Amino acid sequence: AQSVTQPDIHITVSEGASLELRCNYSYGATPYLFWYVQSPGQGLQLLLKYFSGDTLVQGIKGFEAEFKRSQSSFNLRKPSVHWSDAAEYFCAVGVRDMRFGAGTRLTVKP
Amino acid sequence: NAGVTQTPKFQVLKTGQSMTLQCAQDMNHEYMSWYRQDPGMGLRLIHYSVGAGITDQGEVPNGYNVSRSTTEDFPLRLLSAAPSQTSVYFCASMSRNTIYFGEGSWLTVV
Repeated sequence: AQSVTQPDIHITVSEGASLELRCNYSYGATPYLFWYVQSPGQGLQLLLKYFSGDTLVQGIKGFEAEFKRSQSSFNLRKPSVHWSDAAEYFCAVGVRDMRFGAGTRLTVKP
Repeated sequence: NAGVTQTPKFQVLKTGQSMTLQCAQDMNHEYMSWYRQDPGMGLRLIHYSVGAGITDQGEVPNGYNVSRSTTEDFPLRLLSAAPSQTSVYFCASMSRNTIYFGEGSWLTVV
């Protein structure tokens, strides 16, 4: 059965520090992979996506993610976090029936 | 180009009432889906459709019904509302590699 796991429910980082959010999945074939961000009371904004080609994907707002087939992972990274990055982040996986992880809430300390 | 349109945006129901959340897209996408979002649980797939006349169950289909008579419309029916169905509902349509979300419908069942 398809599943998406975001192991970290809540992460706190200092402004300017680097960030890595983890995403692991279980899927029958290589799926499409997405990262979304959601601020409180808002809809979901697409950060980046992967479906083939280069396994390092660049997204908006300085985010990148790396697809590792052997580890069934698609971790999101940012070299220097800004206070405005505080939000909830969702990994999504699938082809037609997209499944989402439970989310990781990011807090940024000044 | 309106994208994905959901109505209503807010609704309060009494336990046992039925209602339909409407979803329409004007992008001629074959794939459409419904999600519910609850705190700490991310987005969970309720039902999805891969084309007119074809629907399938997602992760949490119980208590919900869908139909897809046209490519454009994918309504979600609550047959007999329960307090456990209090949630935010998102409709989505999908092209080959991009998901488009509606703005969400906030549903409260009392």
